[in-house]
Amino acid sequence: GAVVSQHPSRVICKSGTSVKIECRSLDFQATTMFWYRQFPKKSLMLMATSNEGSKATYEQGVEKDKFLINHASLTLSTLTVTSAHPEDSSFYICSAGVQGAHVAQHFGDGTRLSIL
Amino acid sequence: AQTVTQSQPEMSVQEAETVTLSCTYDTSENNYYLFWYKQPPSRQMILVIRQEAYKQQNATENRFSVNFQKAAKSFSLKISDSQLGDTAMYFCAFMGHGGQNFVFGPGTRLSVLP
Repeated sequence: GAVVSQHPSRVICKSGTSVKIECRSLDFQATTMFWYRQFPKKSLMLMATSNEGSKATYEQGVEKDKFLINHASLTLSTLTVTSAHPEDSSFYICSAGVQGAHVAQHFGDGTRLSIL
Repeated sequence: AQTVTQSQPEMSVQEAETVTLSCTYDTSENNYYLFWYKQPPSRQMILVIRQEAYKQQNATENRFSVNFQKAAKSFSLKISDSQLGDTAMYFCAFMGHGGQNFVFGPGTRLSVLP
């Protein structure tokens, strides 16, 4: 089945640091990937849609200069949290869609980000 | 805009029993997909079952089945012979036919009791 790999799984860093999270589709090409943020005991909140070769589409209220998204190839999207602060601490998860007979969103294992 | 509602924040069921999780949604589209995802404590998002709106037959995957009522915009998940490993958050999700507009419900926390 379709596999999405997300790295790193856990990051702990100091306030002011920029953190990059990678999302890779391992066995399929993904022109579109999605980035979510999940607060404890809450549902997934869509942050942005990452489009290969073009600018990402951000949801209302998400700062595009804070959360930089790059989708340079059909198998890789990155989310960079710039100058992270404690309020950016959260669980971030990416997904990529598969079309055709087995249409679904497949998710990475998520990244737990903790800013000290 | 599409919305997905799960009216049961928490549920519990005895091991080996059957439990049904509710989901309703709102959309003006005619062709779309519905999903149930499971998120165990490890926080992986695991696809449980998928339903295509143009198919009348309810989807089934082993112990998991759905009751899809298109007119009522209802998409419930039935788990038969519940196992301890079924303990997780369950999210109902809607996806438009074009692959965009992927919307999650708020989730139902299911506890399977020994």
